[in-house]
Amino acid sequence: AQSVTQPDIHITVSEGASLELRCNYSYGATPYLFWYVQSPGQGLQLLLKYFSGDTLVQGIKGFEAEFKRSQSSFNLRKPSVHWSDAAEYFCAVGAWTGGFKTIFGAGTRLFVKA
Amino acid sequence: NAGVTQTPKFRVLKTGQSMTLLCAQDMNHEYMYWYRQDPGMGLRLIHYSVGEGTTAKGEVPDGYNVSRLKKQNFLLGLESAAPSQTSVYFCASRGGTGGFEQYFGPGTRLTVT
Repeated sequence: AQSVTQPDIHITVSEGASLELRCNYSYGATPYLFWYVQSPGQGLQLLLKYFSGDTLVQGIKGFEAEFKRSQSSFNLRKPSVHWSDAAEYFCAVGAWTGGFKTIFGAGTRLFVKA
Repeated sequence: NAGVTQTPKFRVLKTGQSMTLLCAQDMNHEYMYWYRQDPGMGLRLIHYSVGEGTTAKGEVPDGYNVSRLKKQNFLLGLESAAPSQTSVYFCASRGGTGGFEQYFGPGTRLTVT
């Protein structure tokens, strides 16, 4: 079965600074990888996903993520953070294990300071 | 196109009471899911359905039941609520083919006293 780890419970960055949120997964083959964002009081919204092909994936709201097989990582990045990016971010791993199953990480809460 | 909707948004129950949470999706999705979200624990899968008339247990099914009588609806029931079921509940759905991403509802905040 697959697993996913988000090492950082929370991160604080200054507005305009760059951002990188870490995600590590465990799975024997290349999994399906997702990043979701949850604004306060809202459900989760898909930011981007990776299945195959180009390992640098572009998403909505100016986010991108890079799949690194050698490091079993799928880190989320943004070059310049806006105050509206303050939210909780979830990495998720999907795989075919007796049906398609998706496992969500515990989340990283992003705080943006002025 | 409303996507995934959940009813109610908030609910307070007393221990032992029962209730049903309703999830509806208008995207003709085959798969539907119920999760609970607790601080520091991410999303944990309660039950899911791979199609109308089918349901299956997830990671934390105890104390919950579900039904999927219509393709667009997925109901989550608590027969005898306990304080440990205080949580935020999310419903999600996805199509049978394509990207495998899930679409989430806005959540239901349940407090059991």
